[in-house]
Amino acid sequence: KAGVTQTPRYLIKTRGQQVTLSCSPISGHRSVSWYQQTPGQGLQFLFEYFSETQRNKGNFPGRFSGRQFSNSRSEMNVSTLELGDSALYLCASSLALGSYEQYFGPGTRLTVT
Amino acid sequence: GENVEQHPSTLSVQEGDSAVIKCTYSDSASNYFPWYKQELGKRPQLIIDIRSNVGEKKDQRIAVTLNKTAKHFSLHITETQPEDSAVYFCAARSDTGNQFYFGTGTSLTVIP
Repeated sequence: KAGVTQTPRYLIKTRGQQVTLSCSPISGHRSVSWYQQTPGQGLQFLFEYFSETQRNKGNFPGRFSGRQFSNSRSEMNVSTLELGDSALYLCASSLALGSYEQYFGPGTRLTVT
Repeated sequence: GENVEQHPSTLSVQEGDSAVIKCTYSDSASNYFPWYKQELGKRPQLIIDIRSNVGEKKDQRIAVTLNKTAKHFSLHITETQPEDSAVYFCAARSDTGNQFYFGTGTSLTVIP
């Protein structure tokens, strides 16, 4: 069974631009969560999607948004990029909302210059 | 919300020695505690987990203990090997919170 995939793997953007990241969960998994990973901060929860609806949201500004499609693939968008948005963005898939086990994708490394 | 603290932030051990990483949490409703290993440049991978109705769980050289009264849980790695070198993250989750809260990670280096 294929694992969680994320595209692109690396991205360089300039301040003020916007970016869209994509995540394809494990086949059969319907819940997708997004995390921001930065040195010293660990993994910070962004949001979780299930059945095309955002179910939970972390403490991030409205510039961070996401969506989920009917095939469970998810995208996250960051608008008006700031230098502090440079991070590794990880998505994780779970079988269903409330499932304990989650499996991470390889991440997208975003650099904002 | 939940607050998970993890210590130490860095840990160096000699090959063959044991390593212990500790996490504390604040929400008594948390009932699931996974540990992830993240090697350099790779994705976090679940290595072991424990639920609130269990005090200890072992998987070969890895064990996790949970003390619900004190609200802390620990990862124990015995007979460490160089391939154990990685960043380890603990996390906590409750059914009501429906969100994982992560510790800030421990960078483990096993010296051959």
